[in-house]
Amino acid sequence: GAVVSQHPSRVICKSGTSVKIECRSLDFQATTMFWYRQFPKQSLMLMATSNEGSKATYEQGVEKDKFLINHASLTLSTLTVTSAHPEDSSFYICSARVGDWSYNEQFFGPGTRLTVL
Amino acid sequence: GQNIDQPTEMTATEGAIVQINCTYQTSGFNGLFWYQQHAGEAPTFLSYNVLDGLEEKGRFSSFLSRSKGYSYLLLKELQMKDSASYLCAVGKAAGNKLTFGGGTRVLVKP
Repeated sequence: GAVVSQHPSRVICKSGTSVKIECRSLDFQATTMFWYRQFPKQSLMLMATSNEGSKATYEQGVEKDKFLINHASLTLSTLTVTSAHPEDSSFYICSARVGDWSYNEQFFGPGTRLTVL
Repeated sequence: GQNIDQPTEMTATEGAIVQINCTYQTSGFNGLFWYQQHAGEAPTFLSYNVLDGLEEKGRFSSFLSRSKGYSYLLLKELQMKDSASYLCAVGKAAGNKLTFGGGTRVLVKP
């Protein structure tokens, strides 16, 4: 149980285009989903916290107009990278959590590698 | 603020033991997680400590001292497949989220 999927696993796009990444909890309903970004040989940096039916909470320094998050249901959250540029190339990982507290375990998706040319 | 420090890299021999330390400074501490992450893959859960002491789970053990802001992950009987990054993550009550340390890359050699 507790499987989280992401789609696509890899995407290559041209500079200036938008890319949508889906995160799904397959066998459970997630109270909260998180979006992280990870650059090579670095750790996970939290971008935003997403709760179903409400606006996402963005971390300091993350542009909410550039990284659009929609959390339409308890099993699906999407991250859209708008007007992507080469510096947005990174590994994007989502996680899903049952429960509202930081001590509740987060289950991670397999990640999406975005390359912007 | 929240500072989480762990060594960048460690090398050990197959069959040996390695201890990865993690120190943190935080307010509103809500437990500490250890995750394993192989290159290009998502992190997988290893352990969670919220009370002081040692939690043992097979070849992996994790220790926490809240007063010292200190945790370690102990990997015993190292296997080649244990070569990965190990991430220390602190749960924070405010915002109910995790903050990750920089990760420790462990290389297991034959």
